[in-house]
Amino acid sequence: ETGVTQSPTHLIKTRGQQVTLRCSSQSGHNTVSWYQQALGQGPQFIFQYYREEENGRGNFPPRFSGLQFPNYSSELNVNALELDDSALYLCASSLLTEVVTDTQYFGPGTRLTVL
Amino acid sequence: ILNVEQSPQSLHVQEGDSTNFTCSFPSSNFYALHWYRWETAKSPEALFVMTLNGDEKKKGRISATLNTKEGYSYLYIKGSQPEDSATYLCYSGGYQKVTFGTGTKLQVIP
Repeated sequence: ETGVTQSPTHLIKTRGQQVTLRCSSQSGHNTVSWYQQALGQGPQFIFQYYREEENGRGNFPPRFSGLQFPNYSSELNVNALELDDSALYLCASSLLTEVVTDTQYFGPGTRLTVL
Repeated sequence: ILNVEQSPQSLHVQEGDSTNFTCSFPSSNFYALHWYRWETAKSPEALFVMTLNGDEKKKGRISATLNTKEGYSYLYIKGSQPEDSATYLCYSGGYQKVTFGTGTKLQVIP
């Protein structure tokens, strides 16, 4: 196991609602990244947080937002849910250094269904 | 190659067979190539990170090679076992500049 946990495992919401997904990183990791994996696709990078600040963002609208806390936990918030937001959401923690080859440690994901 | 592509999408092999699959990636601005093994309902598990052209990495019966000039990496599994059944995922990049392939789903038949 990677030591990265996510909650909840599954979630069902309706269009227009808001959702918060949670991730607990490995102790000592200063970076968390969030990914969206739609059915049949590879994971898509949403954003990365480094020491509680957003450190890069993929091609996702502002209604996707996040927080990273000092206790190695983090959140992904999605407002105004759309049907296309239905996907598996993965978080991954790593220790960001000057070496670009840092391994990311993934959680098992949260399956979000938007009806 | 503009995106990361993996082939085949899926394959079935008999227990004991050896197999291999491919990850193709843009060769320009290459940072690193990562391989993961992902069993259903579990977390993706890191297998290899490869950075140098000609890199070869090995972990038990699984090995990988890297060609950064032509933009591909091969993953080999020798003597497949049922517990090797999983999706094998690669991604190219570093920091937040990460592009995943769609994975190769391997089913090993006892």
